[in-house]
Amino acid sequence: DVKVTQSSRYLVKRTGEKVFLECVQDMDHENMFWYRQDPGLGLRLIYFSYDVKMKEKGDIPEGYSVSREKKERFSLILESASTNQTSMYLCACVVAGGLTDTQYFGPGTRLTVL
Amino acid sequence: QKEVEQNSGPLSVPEGAIASLNCTYSDRVSQSFFWYRQYSGKSPELIMSIYSNGDKEDGRFTAQLNKASQYVSLLIRDSQPSDSATYLCAVNSGRDDKIIFGKGTRLHILP
Repeated sequence: DVKVTQSSRYLVKRTGEKVFLECVQDMDHENMFWYRQDPGLGLRLIYFSYDVKMKEKGDIPEGYSVSREKKERFSLILESASTNQTSMYLCACVVAGGLTDTQYFGPGTRLTVL
Repeated sequence: QKEVEQNSGPLSVPEGAIASLNCTYSDRVSQSFFWYRQYSGKSPELIMSIYSNGDKEDGRFTAQLNKASQYVSLLIRDSQPSDSATYLCAVNSGRDDKIIFGKGTRLHILP
C-alpha cells in the first residue's frame, strides 16, 4: 500500500508567520505534488517535483515555495502566511502503473491563518 | 485551458438504487481517467481508474469511458448511506504527470 503522511492534520498560524508543511512518502516515488482545496474552487496545483532538488510551478504558486532535499520528503513553505492562505493542503505522490501514473493523497493539513 | 466538468449536485439517490455520476473533459488527447471519493474533511481516495473505451467494473462500481464523446461516468449499484461523499473526476493527458480535477459532485444516499 502507498503511504503518504503529512506533518499535521490541523494547524493554526498568525499572519506573517513562516509556515512549513511537510509531506513524506515511503515508496521511493519520484513525483510529488502540493494542492490546496477550497469550497467551490476544487483542487488547485501549487507546486510539483519530479526529483530531488527539482521543482515546477503549478497553477497558483504565488506566496508559496517548496523544498525537496530528499526523495521521500517534499515540503511546502508559506514565507509570510496571509489569511487568504487558509485552506486544506493536500500532498500527493504518483505511483507508476498501467498506462499512466496514479496520484495518491496524504491525509491533508487544515491550515487556518488568523 | 484543459477542463474537467462535473455537476456539483447534490445528487440525491435512494438507498439500494443506482447512482450515476458524469464528467466531461476538454482535452481530446487525454489518456487516463480516475474517480476519487472524498468524505467531508478527508483527503481524496482513489476508487477507480479507466484507460480504454467501454466499461470497467469493480464490485459495486462501474466506470464507463467514451473518448469520442469525451465523457466518463461512474455508476454505483446498490447505493449505501456510506457512499454519501463528494466524487471527483480526474483526467491525465499523458503528456506529464499532472492531473486535472473536476470540482466534484456531492452524492447523498437517502436511507
